[in-house]
Amino acid sequence: GQNIDQPTEMTATEGAIVQINCTYQTSGFNGLFWYQQHAGEAPTFLSYNVLDGLEEKGRFSSFLSRSKGYSYLLLKELQMKDSASYLCASKDSNYQLIWGAGTKLIIKP
Amino acid sequence: SQTIHQWPATLVQPVGSPLSLECTVEGTSNPNLYWYRQAAGRGLQLLFYSVGIGQISSEVPQNLSASRPQDRQFILSSKKLLLSDSGFYLCAWAPPDRVSYGYTFGSGTRLTVV
Repeated sequence: GQNIDQPTEMTATEGAIVQINCTYQTSGFNGLFWYQQHAGEAPTFLSYNVLDGLEEKGRFSSFLSRSKGYSYLLLKELQMKDSASYLCASKDSNYQLIWGAGTKLIIKP
Repeated sequence: SQTIHQWPATLVQPVGSPLSLECTVEGTSNPNLYWYRQAAGRGLQLLFYSVGIGQISSEVPQNLSASRPQDRQFILSSKKLLLSDSGFYLCAWAPPDRVSYGYTFGSGTRLTVV
């Protein structure tokens, strides 16, 4: 079957670094996506990885290891506005996104 | 540029009443269209998706239905709402031939069935 696993909730301190992990098992693989969702709002696109390695975009970076079925989202210099849920999704062989349940990130001052 | 519109933003409906949520996409042709539901504090549940006019795939059997009467219009309906239909409904679109593109979501409809 298809499965995406990520932690339910994480807590971090303002100004610190946090890493949100995601493991995936999908029928085929056409890329790994990360989305951010603030409470009561729609998810918005953060990053896309299809090759192994690290993609950096400002304070956010995303890593992929296809052989391990593993990705992480790294958030640096955390700000209070980063408090949100972070959704991991894998695009399968039918080009459909399979979603994880999301990781709620709580930032404390 | 492409935009997606979804309305209404909030809706309170009595049990047993009908439902119609509408989603339209601008600036693209032949998009893949999706309806998701998200219960409070939960993940995204795919309800329906469509790859073309009149083509609807249902992921979860329930009292909801979807239709795509025009290329860039996607409608979610119910004849009789249940309390369990409450949730945050999201419409999304994706280009059919761009592997590196994810889904772009509408702003969502918060439905409360009372």
